[in-house]
Amino acid sequence: QKEVEQDPGPLSVPEGAIVSLNCTYSNSAFQYFMWYRQYSRKGPELLMYTYSSGNKEDGRFTAQVDKSSKYISLFIRDSQPSDSATYLCAANNNDMRFGAGTRLTVKP
Amino acid sequence: NAGVMQNPRHLVRRRGQEARLRCSPMKGHSHVYWYRQLPEEGLKFMVYLQKENIIDESGMPKERFSAEFPKEGPSILRIQQVVRGDSAAYFCASSPGTGNSPLHFGNGTRLTVT
Repeated sequence: QKEVEQDPGPLSVPEGAIVSLNCTYSNSAFQYFMWYRQYSRKGPELLMYTYSSGNKEDGRFTAQVDKSSKYISLFIRDSQPSDSATYLCAANNNDMRFGAGTRLTVKP
Repeated sequence: NAGVMQNPRHLVRRRGQEARLRCSPMKGHSHVYWYRQLPEEGLKFMVYLQKENIIDESGMPKERFSAEFPKEGPSILRIQQVVRGDSAAYFCASSPGTGNSPLHFGNGTRLTVT
């Protein structure tokens, strides 16, 4: 069993939709959680960085962590074609683990 | 403030040759990580280094692969006697190493073995 599980998709939504991306993890020691966005032929870019449980909002992006269920979510409001990319979740406790990434396409 | 710099961006090698991938971390970052990514797959951890020290190489293949991060200069990932299965994107990431700081990635080196 992988320590961080993520549905690879692909996920296709119309422009303006609310997107929900999710991961689960198995190691309860994880305290720090991240979301990265990776465009084709580019390196992963840090989007959101959260500690422990709760929500964090940045513009159209909201990261949510539920440690009781070991569930990590990223919500994208008013999705745009420029949001089309692969989104990777990650969990860290002195040892970072990545999900496999979900490929998102936002259609105009 | 320059980000993580990797070069070359693309590298083509014939089977049996050596590949050297270079990574300069962000300014102020003393911790470097190397990851491999195959098409449609996630990031696979290879090695974690600090200046002049290998901290964790649990993801490195036992043979042909080595990494260093000298006191001066970039970190180097070296692959000897490359085989077709080594073809992949290799990403370097850096962090300041304080607590659980997030990693910052370069744009990778795409290695093609012919």
